Amino acid sequence: DAKTTQPTSMDCAEGRAANLPCNHSTISGNEYVYWYRQIHSQGPQYIIHGLKNNETNEMASLIITEDRKSSTLILPHATLRDTAVYYCIVVMYSGGGADGLTFGKGTHLIIQP
Amino acid sequence: ETGVTQTPRHLVMGMTNKKSLKCEQHLGHNAMYWYKQSAKKPLELMFVYSLEERVENNSVPSRFSPECPNSSHLFLHLHTLQPEDSALYLCASSPDIGAGGELFFGEGSRLTVL
Repeated sequence: DAKTTQPTSMDCAEGRAANLPCNHSTISGNEYVYWYRQIHSQGPQYIIHGLKNNETNEMASLIITEDRKSSTLILPHATLRDTAVYYCIVVMYSGGGADGLTFGKGTHLIIQP
Repeated sequence: ETGVTQTPRHLVMGMTNKKSLKCEQHLGHNAMYWYKQSAKKPLELMFVYSLEERVENNSVPSRFSPECPNSSHLFLHLHTLQPEDSALYLCASSPDIGAGGELFFGEGSRLTVL
């Protein structure tokens, strides 16, 4: 799976949009971009994923650049409960065989009141 | 509530004890996973099971022994652990292996080895 690079930490004011960047310059054509978050001492939680089109769900929006070498997760109206470590992970749909997500260090997003 | 339940949530054990962590999923998934998260380190994949069969063991020491009696239950048996094994142990499930990256995680079991 392709490697990802994320900033170590970011701050965002409550009520503003939080934009979390991720670089995945070695991504291949059949690899998806997944985002998870982990609130302190809890299990990671799936947020959203995409291949090449922008995606939106009730939690967030995912913007993937046209060359697919980077993406941005957008939390449109951040709240204090969005303070967490956010992980960007590139995943191949292998259609079989063992797998399991490889988590990096992620971005620690701190929402300021 | 993710549909994946782990017990106990907290466990303290001595190095000579034998204990087990339990994971149960109510999602009808075929794949289950154990991860370890040590302080200030990324999550590490330990074991992967598909339909009760172990399909991956990421060089985990034998003092950790997984068991998957059916596709809804996963255990991690612990024996003669070391203090450095203290960590958050996370269980996850997914519909199938090799089917993408949406995993459902439990809340974790916080293990302290004295």
